[in-house]
Amino acid sequence: TQLLEQSPQFLSIQEGENLTVYCNSSSVFSSLQWYRQEPGEGPVLLVTVVTGGEVKKLKRLTFQFGDARKDSSLHITAAQPGDTGLYLCAGASGGSYIPTFGRGTSLIVHP
Amino acid sequence: ETGVTQTPRHLVMGMTNKKSLKCEQHLGHNAMYWYKQSAKKPLELMFVYSLEERVENNSVPSRFSPECPNSSHLFLHLHTLQPEDSALYLCASSQDVPSGGAGETQYFGPGTRLLVL
Repeated sequence: TQLLEQSPQFLSIQEGENLTVYCNSSSVFSSLQWYRQEPGEGPVLLVTVVTGGEVKKLKRLTFQFGDARKDSSLHITAAQPGDTGLYLCAGASGGSYIPTFGRGTSLIVHP
Repeated sequence: ETGVTQTPRHLVMGMTNKKSLKCEQHLGHNAMYWYKQSAKKPLELMFVYSLEERVENNSVPSRFSPECPNSSHLFLHLHTLQPEDSALYLCASSQDVPSGGAGETQYFGPGTRLLVL
């Protein structure tokens, strides 16, 4: 069983602050995905990374896949209240390529 | 709006009841999934269907019974549930079951919040 550890579990910050959340594993993944889940909704895919060392940017969000493809980080610049939600990482590997999810980081951005 | 709808959105049931959760996708996808999301636990994959055939069943108790009559509809039939089964049940779909590389983008419905008393 692939175990994805996400940290921190909870994060409460003020609007305008920067933050980084982490997703770590001892397993190697062929791809890793980040989702955001808002209250009362299902997760929505933000990005998929597949290459070790890959960096992807989505407006104020920067995603990085570790060189060894075992970990990833999500950095948010100048957080806004609309960024509030549960950030989930999910990794897929050989055998079954259906992603395994971490527990998520719950982010609250206060106005 | 992700193109995946789930009904009901909330459900309260007793341990002796029988109920069904419904999922419908309007995306023309071939693969559908049931997940369980509990507090403080990772999203747990329960069942996977590809073109109406079950391709994965992750040791889910028999009190959960899935049904996929066609590629657009997925049901989860519930009977004699336990209080620990209370959770958010999420349905998702993807174009196909992932087979490697970047995988497939999964589109999730809003979920059914289930409370078992």
